[in-house]
Amino acid sequence: DTGVSQDPRHKITKRGQNVTFRCDPISEHNRLYWYRQTLGQGPEFLTYFQNEAQLEKSRLLSDRFSAERPKGSFSTLEIQRTEQGDSAMYLCASSTLDRGDNEKLFFGSGTQLSVL
Amino acid sequence: KQEVTQIPAALSVPEGENLVLNCSFTDSAIYNLQWFRQDPGKGLTSLLLIQSSQREQTSGRLNASLDKSSGRSTLYIAASQPGDSATYLCAVRDDKIIFGKGTRLHILP
Repeated sequence: DTGVSQDPRHKITKRGQNVTFRCDPISEHNRLYWYRQTLGQGPEFLTYFQNEAQLEKSRLLSDRFSAERPKGSFSTLEIQRTEQGDSAMYLCASSTLDRGDNEKLFFGSGTQLSVL
Repeated sequence: KQEVTQIPAALSVPEGENLVLNCSFTDSAIYNLQWFRQDPGKGLTSLLLIQSSQREQTSGRLNASLDKSSGRSTLYIAASQPGDSATYLCAVRDDKIIFGKGTRLHILP
């Protein structure tokens, strides 16, 4: 299967610990997005990459969050010094632009983070 | 700043009924709009993508319309089934992709 893969599926950590999530996009997709979703809410934009360049980062993201996409392939999202408010589903999506400049997102299954 | 609103937040209808979910957005300068389905605890599955130049798209029992000038889209589900129960999300793309909060749909057997 060549869909979007996220690892791990679930992560339980203690407050103050650092966590890192990985996303492997669909291979031919040059855009990669990270979203955060809490119960009953829609996905909240965090950041996105075009190839290896991080084009935008949400102002909602504190300095404890960092994302990378070395070589424009997989991406990692790191949260330092986790807080209970970081508990959420972290979703990754990838896409590419077609000739009409349309962009269709394909999502992974997400990483559910629980901070105790 | 683009804002996406979905109404209603939740909806329960008997099996077999046709229904309409609504999505509105504040900035009409979008490239495209995409409807997704999300089952509890899962990722999002794409249902339909409407280009900015299109008025509607159809896939099986689903029909999505787009009125870009008024900032509105609807998702029409015909002959609803219990398996349609899920959260339905719309997302618009301008310089990035922004989501609404979704409509939680429950089809009563």
